[in-house]
Amino acid sequence: RKEVEQDPGPFNVPEGATVAFNCTYSNSASQSFFWYRQDCRKEPKLLMSVYSSGNEDGRFTAQLNRASQYISLLIRDSKLSDSATYLCVVTHYNNNDMRFGAGTRLTVKP
Amino acid sequence: GAVVSQHPSRVICKSGTSVKIECRSLDFQATTMFWYRQFPKQSLMLMATSNEGSKATYEQGVEKDKFLINHASLTLSTLTVTSAHPEDSSFYICSARDQHGELFFGEGSRLTVL
Repeated sequence: RKEVEQDPGPFNVPEGATVAFNCTYSNSASQSFFWYRQDCRKEPKLLMSVYSSGNEDGRFTAQLNRASQYISLLIRDSKLSDSATYLCVVTHYNNNDMRFGAGTRLTVKP
Repeated sequence: GAVVSQHPSRVICKSGTSVKIECRSLDFQATTMFWYRQFPKQSLMLMATSNEGSKATYEQGVEKDKFLINHASLTLSTLTVTSAHPEDSSFYICSARDQHGELFFGEGSRLTVL
């Protein structure tokens, strides 16, 4: 079983739709959680950190469920520019030990 | 924000040759940098942690003699793929943390071994 698992998608949604991704992790000692965005053939860029209390940044909402060991990302009012691969990242032991999910591919269509 | 730069962005080489990839932190000092490999449609896999002034720490299954890492200064780490073979063709990405602990990635280097 992979340490960090994501539905690879692809998710094809129309502009304006709301879309949600989940990510599960296997190590209960995991400490920090992030969502990164990766455009095709580019480097990943931090989208947002995920806090236990949940957090929101504009159209993006991230949630953490430690009991069930999953994190989620909700995107409201999808834009064409949201098309990308979204990577779930989990760290444990220390923040240098980062584990990446394989990514969920999102395509927003006009 | 902080910037991490990688060079070259694309490289094509013949089987058996060695290729060096540079990773630079442009506006901050990085005592630790990280090297990853990403195959198509797969996740980033951490290869090694590069430590300034000391030996790199390699992940299990990564051959240290094949993937040579040198972190000679606080702003530069290099990854050398020695005696490259077609199966080494991949997207290699480095990352580094700035003084605030935020992780930034280089632009990646796409290696194709013929």
